[in-house]
Amino acid sequence: EVQLVQSGAEVKKPGESLKISCKGSGYSFTSYWIGWVRQMPGKGLEWMGIIYPGDSDTRYSPSFQGQVTISADKSISTAYLQWSSLKASDTAMYYCARRATVTNPYDYWGQGTLVTVSS
Amino acid sequence: EIVLTQSPGTLSLSPGERATLSCRASQSVSSSYLAWYQQKPGQAPRLLIYGASSRATGIPDRFSGSGSGTDFTLTISRLEPEDFAVYYCQQYGSSPQDTFGQGTKLEIK
Repeated sequence: EVQLVQSGAEVKKPGESLKISCKGSGYSFTSYWIGWVRQMPGKGLEWMGIIYPGDSDTRYSPSFQGQVTISADKSISTAYLQWSSLKASDTAMYYCARRATVTNPYDYWGQGTLVTVSS
Repeated sequence: EIVLTQSPGTLSLSPGERATLSCRASQSVSSSYLAWYQQKPGQAPRLLIYGASSRATGIPDRFSGSGSGTDFTLTISRLEPEDFAVYYCQQYGSSPQDTFGQGTKLEIK
């Protein structure tokens, strides 16, 4: 069974760093792209970026370039999304999702990680 | 960047009725790389339609997609109670980035 299991909810202060994770199982982790999607409270879906764990090819939305870092550790089938200095506006639900190629949709999604940034 | 505009913002219908949701792109979507997702409160999105008109695995045949170029439609032929949710379209053929529409909320009338 394909599963993407994300790390748990986080509460952080502005200026702190954070790394959240997405662990894939039930499929060949290195053969699928993993994308990250933001959903701010009560709002729609925003595509942040994507990584191919097989060779670490990474692409970012211009809106998120320089604001976050996407990485992956194929040895443990895990993708990451990290911030070096959080802002209150980073408060959101973050989803990971997999796709077979960049011209395929996202067929499996993680359960989401809620990040709350508040002083 | 391709901008997707969904309409209406909110659609109020009763179970058993037909729902028609629209997604319009600011420029042509390559090879109909257009998907529809359903999201219920507290849940992750679920893929319904890809390639503009192909149903994803396990999706009931009351859901159908159509369109090409810049105009796409999701139709739910007879609404079931579990279909009331938010629906998003997504284009995924414009490398390097995908875009999502702003969503249509389908609510019970």
